[in-house]
Amino acid sequence: KQEVTQIPAALSVPEGENLVLNCSFTDSAIYNLQWFRQDPGKGLTSLLLIQSSQREQTSGRLNASLDKSSGRSTLYIAASQPGDSATYLCASAGGTSYGKLTFGQGTILTVHP
Amino acid sequence: KAGVTQTPRYLIKTRGQQVTLSCSPISGHRSVSWYQQTPGQGLQFLFEYFSETQRNKGNFPGRFSGRQFSNSRSEMNVSTLELGDSALYLCASSLGGVGYEQYFGPGTRLTVT
Repeated sequence: KQEVTQIPAALSVPEGENLVLNCSFTDSAIYNLQWFRQDPGKGLTSLLLIQSSQREQTSGRLNASLDKSSGRSTLYIAASQPGDSATYLCASAGGTSYGKLTFGQGTILTVHP
Repeated sequence: KAGVTQTPRYLIKTRGQQVTLSCSPISGHRSVSWYQQTPGQGLQFLFEYFSETQRNKGNFPGRFSGRQFSNSRSEMNVSTLELGDSALYLCASSLGGVGYEQYFGPGTRLTVT
């Protein structure tokens, strides 16, 4: 059974800092890993998706990496802004588990001016 | 292209009642997945439908059921509501198959009193 863990649970940083969010998973037989952002009381916004054959994906100030052998993914946010404040969730998709994402508990990020 | 829509956005029900939630996927998407999000358990997978067939199911009691129509719209039903069913219910759509990126709707906030 896949288990996904995110560290830290919460993070507070001043504006402008570069930061790293961590995600680990127990079963390396994943198909892909997806990073999401969730604002309070809202749905999930997809940020990046990394296929199992890829090592990293980039979108603007965001960079996500994937190391299947160690069961880890990281989300790097460059030059953080107050608008980046949200909960960040990672989720893995298994080999034949149609439509099912297994989520971590999330990292609550606060970027203060 | 319109995103995933969910109706209603908010619901208040009484214990013992039943409720039906609706999800309209992105045009062209044939897979719809449902998730329950609570502060204690996080995001948990309920079930997935593709071309009107349930392909995958999470570990929830039989009170939780769903269906999908020929236009890919999906509904989920919860019967005999319990206080613990209070949650944000999210649906996500994708093209189908394993590993396609999932796009989430804004969710339905269900409160059971």
